[in-house]
Amino acid sequence: QVQLQESGPGLVKPSETLSLTCTVSGGSISPYYWSWIRQAPGKGLEWIGYIFYNGNTNYNPSLKSRVTITVDTSKNQFSLKLTSVIAADTAVYYCARKSHSSGAFDVWGQGTMVIVFS
Amino acid sequence: DIQMTQSPSSLSASVGDRVTITCRASQGISNYLAWFQQKPGKAPKSLIYAASSLQSGVPSRFSGSGSGTDFTLTISSLQPEDFATYFCQHYDSYPITFGQGTRLETK
Repeated sequence: QVQLQESGPGLVKPSETLSLTCTVSGGSISPYYWSWIRQAPGKGLEWIGYIFYNGNTNYNPSLKSRVTITVDTSKNQFSLKLTSVIAADTAVYYCARKSHSSGAFDVWGQGTMVIVFS
Repeated sequence: DIQMTQSPSSLSASVGDRVTITCRASQGISNYLAWFQQKPGKAPKSLIYAASSLQSGVPSRFSGSGSGTDFTLTISSLQPEDFATYFCQHYDSYPITFGQGTRLETK
């Protein structure tokens, strides 16, 4: 059974870079699409972007200028970098897998809280 | 971007009730619509994909319907563990967007 686990610093200072990693266990990172999604406190869900196992990406235009998603197939991990963070980037960050058969998200990580705080 | 609008934003119901939540897309999305359940402090759980297909392991009291712009999630007989927030999400095109959520509370 595939499981996802997010990891990274829980506190980031304004203007710095948020870096998170999602480790995939119980299955291979290929040949799937992997995504980052966030949820600000008390708010709804916001899709950040996708990466395919071969490195192809697609980002939400609202964040595109600040986002980079990369994949390391040798470690079965993919990562998120969000630059120039502000208080509005405070959120729970989830990683998720897109199902081959349905095209929808079928597996989610438990989420990790990141607070932008000076 | 395609806007997803859910209604109601909150709903009070009792165990055994039949509950329906609506999701409307700002433009046609065929059947590229998913529903998720989220409990406080937990990750979303996938319930339905392709508007009406049940994810493996999801109880049959959950059902989805719709196509184009209008969709519904129905819980046929509410159970205690069903009190949660429900989100719809389209995956017709990029960017993917979610509804704002419907909070299902006990009456």
